[in-house]
Amino acid sequence: QKEVEQNSGPLSVPEGAIASLNCTYSDRGSQSFFWYRQYSGKSPELIMSIYSNGDKEDGRFTAQLNKASQYVSLLIRDSQPSDSATYLCAVSKGGADGLTFGKGTHLIIQP
Amino acid sequence: SAVISQKPSRDICQRGTSLTIQCQVDSQVTMMFWYRQQPGQSLTLIATANQGSEATYESGFVIDKFPISRPNLTFSTLTVSNMSPEDSSIYLCSAPRYPAGELFFGEGSRLTVL
Repeated sequence: QKEVEQNSGPLSVPEGAIASLNCTYSDRGSQSFFWYRQYSGKSPELIMSIYSNGDKEDGRFTAQLNKASQYVSLLIRDSQPSDSATYLCAVSKGGADGLTFGKGTHLIIQP
Repeated sequence: SAVISQKPSRDICQRGTSLTIQCQVDSQVTMMFWYRQQPGQSLTLIATANQGSEATYESGFVIDKFPISRPNLTFSTLTVSNMSPEDSSIYLCSAPRYPAGELFFGEGSRLTVL
């Protein structure tokens, strides 16, 4: 059974600090990894995708993948109040597979 | 990113009725995916809709309850049949952007069943 685990939070981070979000997955066949941001009442918005071990940076966001440990993380630097949202980790085996989502981490950036 | 339009955006339905949700993508895609997000929960994949073949349903979801159509490469519908209050959820259509396969989502259809 495919499982994606996240700490539901809430995770409270001061404005300007680094927010660190973590995710583990059970299916070793997973090939693609994604972070989505979801504001209350809105649909998920893709932030980052990562496919190989290591770090991938995009602006204030860094995704980290460790396939051996089955671990994915998202770092948000210089956190802003507008980053307050639920962050969903999602994984896929690729091909015709849809994404399997974690339950999400509720992030609160304190001004 | 792909532009995905869903309608209705929200509806209030009576128990025992059925509702069809439409999803339109601005580009041709082989696969479209339907998800459900129950209140306070994450997204659960209902089924994968491929053009020209029957949809593939995930465990716990059946065609009689959630029939899906996929008449062409830009359009799909999901019907929620014989609704009960437990079907009150947000239903989301999604499609991939090639070649990476990242999924993009429509705005969702929020159903309330009384």
